[in-house]
Amino acid sequence: AQSVTQLGSHVSVSEGALVLLRCNYSSSVPPYLFWYVQYPNQGLQLLLKYTTGATLVKGINGFEAEFKKSETSFHLTKPSAHMSDAAEYFCAVIEGGFKTIFGAGTRLFVKA
Amino acid sequence: EAGVAQSPRYKIIEKRQSVAFWCNPISGHATLYWYQQILGQGPKLLIQFQNNGVVDDSQLPKDRFSAERLKGVDSTLKIQPAKLEDSAVYLCASSLEVYEQYFGPGTRLTVT
Repeated sequence: AQSVTQLGSHVSVSEGALVLLRCNYSSSVPPYLFWYVQYPNQGLQLLLKYTTGATLVKGINGFEAEFKKSETSFHLTKPSAHMSDAAEYFCAVIEGGFKTIFGAGTRLFVKA
Repeated sequence: EAGVAQSPRYKIIEKRQSVAFWCNPISGHATLYWYQQILGQGPKLLIQFQNNGVVDDSQLPKDRFSAERLKGVDSTLKIQPAKLEDSAVYLCASSLEVYEQYFGPGTRLTVT
């Protein structure tokens, strides 16, 4: 079975600083990878996805992620954090061609 | 385009009582998902429908949970009887294809 590991349940950055949220996956086949964001009392929203093609994927709100097969990683980055980025972020992988497996999540805090 | 609708948003019940949640997916989305999100964890897939049929329900506790999707549109998830450990947010999502799921706001269930 595939799994997703998000390193760090909480990450705190200053406004304007680089955001780096880490995600590693286990998969025996080429994976489909996703990042979702969840704001308080809301459902999840897709930030970006990797299915095939270019390994650097750009998403909404200035986020991007790079698929690194050799490292089995799909880390999420944003060059400059904004207060509105404070939320919980989930990395996810598709298993069996149709079933989405989510990581435990990383809560991002942004300090003024 | 209207999003995924869920009701109620909040529900408090006593253990051993029953409860039902309702989901209306985005129009035209053939696939509907129910997830359980326990505090501090990522969403866990309970059941996935493709139109009227069940694609995966391997993590649905079938002794107490049931779900149906009538006419391939709306869906209800029921718990009977509820246990304390069922306290969680229940998320409904829908998609045209598995690579982009749209989530509703969720129903927060508290079992006392």
